[in-house]
Amino acid sequence: GAGVSQTPSNKVTEKGKYVELRCDPISGHTALYWYRQSLGQGPEFLIYFQGTGAADDSGLPNDRFFAVRPEGSVSTLKIQRTERGDSAVYLCASAGGPNTEAFFGQGTRLTVV
Amino acid sequence: SQQGEEDPQALSIQEGENATMNCSYKTSINNLQWYRQNSGRGLVHLILIRSNEREKHSGRLRVTLDTSKKSSSLLITASRAADTASYFCATDKGGFQKLVFGTGTRLLVSP
Repeated sequence: GAGVSQTPSNKVTEKGKYVELRCDPISGHTALYWYRQSLGQGPEFLIYFQGTGAADDSGLPNDRFFAVRPEGSVSTLKIQRTERGDSAVYLCASAGGPNTEAFFGQGTRLTVV
Repeated sequence: SQQGEEDPQALSIQEGENATMNCSYKTSINNLQWYRQNSGRGLVHLILIRSNEREKHSGRLRVTLDTSKKSSSLLITASRAADTASYFCATDKGGFQKLVFGTGTRLLVSP
């Protein structure tokens, strides 16, 4: 597609539920990043994929968070047993090559009630 | 953790004035990118400057990079109300390594 697409744009879920957030990167981009942004803060790195593999998952806060990219294109961020503190905007970005620009989607605003 | 810090945290100017934002970072980098964010949603890529570059221009934007001081600046000339947004720098140690963002500068341009 023309840009990075994230769905849903908004998600409200109850505490303890499971959620999946989807990211469609720019076609042909091999690098894909997930970030989390809380109000008034900069984006906080979660995980990045090079192709199908997670090259760096050091930002995932705990084992309730998991992400996959099985075919090296679409990625899904999965959050189990959601907590109110997980409420944030989750941003996805993709990049086409070394030392190139990373382009972001519009994000998914997750609200855990 | 945040790699960079933007300075100032907030900046308020009048239309037509220039706005300068600074970014400091901690480790050596391969490139530095500046982004704009409106209303806390998607980030718009503004400019990428590589570690072997000292200055780069794009329209009304001018970015400088001083690797000896581990700092960068973003200058917006002849600002417009539409430039009101948060501005972030992000650094990349090389290749596909993670982008690490600063804390952002909130710019308000008043008509």
